[in-house]
Amino acid sequence: QKEVEQDPGPLSVPEGAIVSLNCTYSNSAFQYFMWYRQYSRKGPELLMYTYSSGNKEDGRFTAQVDKSSKYISLFIRDSQPSDSATYLCAMILSGGSYIPTFGRGTSLIVHP
Amino acid sequence: DTAVSQTPKYLVTQMGNDKSIKCEQNLGHDTMYWYKQDSKKFLKIMFSYNNKELIINETVPNRFSPKSPDKAHLNLHINSLELGDSAVYFCASSRARATHEQYFGPGTRLTVT
Repeated sequence: QKEVEQDPGPLSVPEGAIVSLNCTYSNSAFQYFMWYRQYSRKGPELLMYTYSSGNKEDGRFTAQVDKSSKYISLFIRDSQPSDSATYLCAMILSGGSYIPTFGRGTSLIVHP
Repeated sequence: DTAVSQTPKYLVTQMGNDKSIKCEQNLGHDTMYWYKQDSKKFLKIMFSYNNKELIINETVPNRFSPKSPDKAHLNLHINSLELGDSAVYFCASSRARATHEQYFGPGTRLTVT
């Protein structure tokens, strides 16, 4: 079992839909949770991060962490074709080397 | 004004050859990294340098040798290339070693034939 599990998709939705992207993890020592967006043939870019549990909102994006279930989510409201990309979750251990453990990414396609 | 740049963008070479990938960041960051993204899209750390000093060296064959001539540059040299080395290699940087925020370069797509 991988430390971080993420469904690779693809997830195909119509424009304007609410998108839910998820990751599960096995190590309860993870404390920092990030979402990266990676467009095709580009490097990942940090979208959002959350420390420990709770929600964080930034525009159309909301990140949620449920540490009791070892489950994190990224919600995208009013999805746009420009949101089409691969979304990677990543996590960092508390007191460790600050090197993130990445999920394999979920490919999202938003069609007009 | 690219933040993290890599050269070359594409690299096609034959088994047994030696090749280098170069990375430069103009963000003034102290820490730089090399990652490998395989065909299944898993992104895995290979090396990390902080102020030109190697601080992380994951289980990587010693055919891979990083070199940091200064804080802004981190190069990756690969000897005796193998088919399994085919992947996308990403350079990244962060302000300091103990930070969650990393900035990635565009990647170098290496194909070994």
